[in-house]
Amino acid sequence: QQPVQSPQAVILREGEDAVINCSSSKALYSVHWYRQKHGEAPVFLMILLKGGEQKGHEKISASFNEKKQQSSLYLTASQLSYSGTYFCGTENTGNQFYFGTGTSLTVIP
Amino acid sequence: KAGVTQTPRYLIKTRGQQVTLSCSPISGHRSVSWYQQTPGQGLQFLFEYFSETQRNKGNFPGRFSGRQFSNSRSEMNVSTLELGDSALYLCASSMVDRGSGEQYFGPGTRLTVT
Repeated sequence: QQPVQSPQAVILREGEDAVINCSSSKALYSVHWYRQKHGEAPVFLMILLKGGEQKGHEKISASFNEKKQQSSLYLTASQLSYSGTYFCGTENTGNQFYFGTGTSLTVIP
Repeated sequence: KAGVTQTPRYLIKTRGQQVTLSCSPISGHRSVSWYQQTPGQGLQFLFEYFSETQRNKGNFPGRFSGRQFSNSRSEMNVSTLELGDSALYLCASSMVDRGSGEQYFGPGTRLTVT
């Protein structure tokens, strides 16, 4: 029931774009996105509630396709500070919450 | 506004002992969730408390328990510790239930079981 993220790892040069996908086998109520830097706690990026909405936060945005039980995180014009591990967190309609498998993102100069 | 605080930050225990971890949420937040993070299993949900009631629980044995007080502070207890319980334990608070609201994480408690 743990959502699967892809890719597992990605290396970008500054200014490049990336897409991280999160796919669940269960019907979802909400999808959360977090970024965790090494040795630190996860930091909340955004939450998407069912309804197929898309949200934006500076150069980071996300979409949620409720029917496909999928969410995607879009990072545009990446900066060095974007480096870290990205996790999606999914809450299904049974109130169960699972973090995704994680995507390691490295931005290099 | 003060963030989520967790105490202690580091803990070393012996197999068979029990441990209690504490979490103080952001003022005004009513939901506290607990997570276990290990290199092998990643981030796993333990349980969520909302207004002193356990809202839901992850797939962990009964040795893991928790509670929430009227001031929203929460404690997590692990009895009969096993080596596999060594992990970073994170708590997170949100103003509304976790499914609907933003979660803010504390720095975590690093538990080592020897």
